[in-house]
Amino acid sequence: VQLVESGGASVQPGRSLRLSCATSGFTFDDYAMHWVRRLPGKGLEWVSGVSWNGIDAYADSVKGRFTISRDNAEKSLHLQMYSLGIDDTALYYCAKEWGGGALDLLFDSWGQGTLVTVSS
Amino acid sequence: EIVLTQSPGTLSLSPGERATLSCRASHSISNGFLAWYQQKPGQAPRLLMFGASTRATGTPDRFSGSGSGSGTDFTLTISRLDPEDFAIYYCQQYGGPDRGTFGQGTKVEVK
Repeated sequence: VQLVESGGASVQPGRSLRLSCATSGFTFDDYAMHWVRRLPGKGLEWVSGVSWNGIDAYADSVKGRFTISRDNAEKSLHLQMYSLGIDDTALYYCAKEWGGGALDLLFDSWGQGTLVTVSS
Repeated sequence: EIVLTQSPGTLSLSPGERATLSCRASHSISNGFLAWYQQKPGQAPRLLMFGASTRATGTPDRFSGSGSGSGTDFTLTISRLDPEDFAIYYCQQYGGPDRGTFGQGTKVEVK
């Protein structure tokens, strides 16, 4: 299993950013996929997930600002982030669901992360 | 929302010693849906345990997990610390989008 994130950058508050995750080594269509972030000086926070058939879910902290999507043909995962704030500064990981296509939030494979810095 | 509190914050031990990490939940976690992850500097987290006591693929048997009958107290034990075990350990509740919270982490460092 390989998960490779991209799209992280340094942006000003209020701006938008789109993260992507390219995957290989497993049957992408069969698994739910997630974004998890590591906040500086803090721990891990689940951000968003999408089931095999496109049902999405979000943490309260990003609901209404972030949109997750998947492209099963391209075996890729995306996270569109709007209205970014300083508190969104983090290392964003793409993660694969352990059990299959449902959103159980148990992560058995992770990418190396892409860094998002929100600063004025 | 269930809050997970890990203790201690930092554990200073020597290779070969036993490590005991605690994770306490503010409310009972149903079905023992509690996982442990290990994260080393510059690396992605790695799933170690799930279902409170089931080792993930590749997890050495010096790692063991347990949970209390109340569903609120969980322990990760490393029977004999190997040099590669010095890392940060996170517990996490799972089972659906209304769960998924992580503890703040316990750092196991070399004494």
